[in-house]
Amino acid sequence: DAKTTQPTSMDCAEGRAANLPCNHSTISGNEYVYWYRQIHSQGPQYIIHGLKNNETNEMASLIITEDRKSSTLILPHATLRDTAVYYCIVRAAETSGSRLTFGEGTQLTVNP
Amino acid sequence: DTAVSQTPKYLVTQMGNDKSIKCEQNLGHDTMYWYKQDSKKFLKIMFSYNNKELIINETVPNRFSPKSPDKAHLNLHINSLELGDSAVYFCASSQGWQGRNEQFFGPGTRLTVL
Repeated sequence: DAKTTQPTSMDCAEGRAANLPCNHSTISGNEYVYWYRQIHSQGPQYIIHGLKNNETNEMASLIITEDRKSSTLILPHATLRDTAVYYCIVRAAETSGSRLTFGEGTQLTVNP
Repeated sequence: DTAVSQTPKYLVTQMGNDKSIKCEQNLGHDTMYWYKQDSKKFLKIMFSYNNKELIINETVPNRFSPKSPDKAHLNLHINSLELGDSAVYFCASSQGWQGRNEQFFGPGTRLTVL
């Protein structure tokens, strides 16, 4: 699975959009971009994933660049409960098996 | 209803003991996993089972033995516990083993070996 690079930490004001970047310049054509988050002392939580097109669900939006070498997770109206470590993971859809390879992630702190 | 549950939540034990952690999922998923999160917060896959068959076995000491009695359960037994085994262990499940399936994680079991 391709390696990802994320900033170590970010801050965001409550109620504002949080934009979390991820670089994955070695991504292959069959690899998805996944985002998970881990709130302190809890298990990781799936947020969203995408292959080529931008995706949106009730939690977030995922914007993938046309060359697929980077992506941005957007939390449109961050709340204090969104404070967590956010992990960007790239993994093949069918052939690489089921493991998730977690990096260091981005510690997002939402401030009141 | 809890989707992926683990017991116990906390486990404190002495070096050399044998202990088990249980995991159950009520999502009807075929695939289950064990991950370890160490003190530096890195999450690493340990094992994965699909339909009760082992499909991933990372470089884990053979003191760790997973057991899947049925698709809804994946237990982790650890023999001869060592100080370095202290960590948080997370169970997870997914619909299938393919990479496109999102994984659902349990709340974790914090193991402390004294």
